[in-house]
Amino acid sequence: DTGVSQDPRHKITKRGQNVTFRCDPISEHNRLYWYRQTLGQGPEFLTYFQNEAQLEKSRLLSDRFSAERPKGSFSTLEIQRTEQGDSAMYLCASAPPPSSGEIEQYFGPGTRLTVT
Amino acid sequence: KQEVTQIPAALSVPEGENLVLNCSFTDSAIYNLQWFRQDPGKGLTSLLLIQSSQREQTSGRLNASLDKSSGRSTLYIAASQPGDSATYLCAVGGAGGTSYGKLTFGQGTILTVHP
Repeated sequence: DTGVSQDPRHKITKRGQNVTFRCDPISEHNRLYWYRQTLGQGPEFLTYFQNEAQLEKSRLLSDRFSAERPKGSFSTLEIQRTEQGDSAMYLCASAPPPSSGEIEQYFGPGTRLTVT
Repeated sequence: KQEVTQIPAALSVPEGENLVLNCSFTDSAIYNLQWFRQDPGKGLTSLLLIQSSQREQTSGRLNASLDKSSGRSTLYIAASQPGDSATYLCAVGGAGGTSYGKLTFGQGTILTVHP
């Protein structure tokens, strides 16, 4: 296991279509975060999972967005009825349990979404 | 609500210069602060992480300091090289509860080091 992986790396879709992204964290990490980064901005927090429990969601995560982590391993982020404003880089990060004492988050390469 | 500001927004320097990037945050109840590097179109590379109880961290030509009480951090890059050209992002980590580990990012400083 060499790190956090995300799939796909790039996605081009037409407005109104649904898209789903996948994140595979580092295997022993039980914490998983999703962030969104638009052009010229820093990443913004979307949601946080500890194991399979979604503990926090940003107000940025509108009703069209849903994230899951069904077995506490990989996670998916779905966007329904995509809009041009959804065009961004979607970043996933994972981290070990708080009990490990290690707090650093490890980021994946991101999925770049373009909505035309 | 935590807000993170980075100054300057962009910086262009000749090769060999020492430089300082600044980061400020509004809520001092943080768990940690991280500096990242991002190359165009790529993901984030962690450079340095400072826990809230620490004052600074060093890695090679990089030194990051943290003054939690004043809500400030600096990233010092010594003897800059063209390969250092990238966007540098500062992020602060939430102190606990459901915000544990959640990072709040600044907008970044775009650094260009020219030969």
